[in-house]
Amino acid sequence: AQSVAQPEDQVNVAEGNPLTVKCTYSVSGNPYLFWYVQYPNRGLQFLLKYITGDNLVKGSYGFEAEFNKSQTSFHLKKPSALVSDSALYFCAVRDINSYNNNDMRFGAGTRLTVKP
Amino acid sequence: EPEVTQTPSHQVTQMGQEVILRCVPISNHLYFYWYRQILGQKVEFLVSFYNNEISEKSEIFDDQFSVERPDGSNFTLKIRSTKLEDSAMYFCASSPYVSEKLFFGSGTQLSVL
Repeated sequence: AQSVAQPEDQVNVAEGNPLTVKCTYSVSGNPYLFWYVQYPNRGLQFLLKYITGDNLVKGSYGFEAEFNKSQTSFHLKKPSALVSDSALYFCAVRDINSYNNNDMRFGAGTRLTVKP
Repeated sequence: EPEVTQTPSHQVTQMGQEVILRCVPISNHLYFYWYRQILGQKVEFLVSFYNNEISEKSEIFDDQFSVERPDGSNFTLKIRSTKLEDSAMYFCASSPYVSEKLFFGSGTQLSVL
């Protein structure tokens, strides 16, 4: 089955600095890749997705992510972090080539803290 | 933007009792899901539902769990005999097709005492 790994439980950056939240995936076929953000006591909000095409995808709130097939990675990035970006970030994958490709599997989450 | 709605927002129950968590997916969506999150940590897949049947379920989704779409709008998750370890935030989600993002509800916090 498809899976994702987020190797960092916690990422700390200073406001104004670039941020990266890492994600690697494992699928038997081709992936659909997603990033979601969760603020305290809220549900998951969609940030961006990669389906096909340009490896660099841009999403909400100035976030972007780069699909790297050779490294099976889909790292989330932002050039200049804001304190308000502090939240829990989840990477997710669907395997479009699997027989039962309905479900989306999430990583363990990375807690991003942006300090003023 | 259309929303997935979940009720109740909080549910407290005694161990061994049955609970039903309710969800109203977005009206033109075809794929429905339940996930759970324990203590704000990992989001765990429970079950996916399409064309009025379960399309996939995880190892968590044992015989104590069931899902139903009793009418054209509701999608329910039933836990027959709750255990302490069932305490979690349960999220319902829907999507119009497989390549699209999931739209999540705001969740039901289930506390089993």
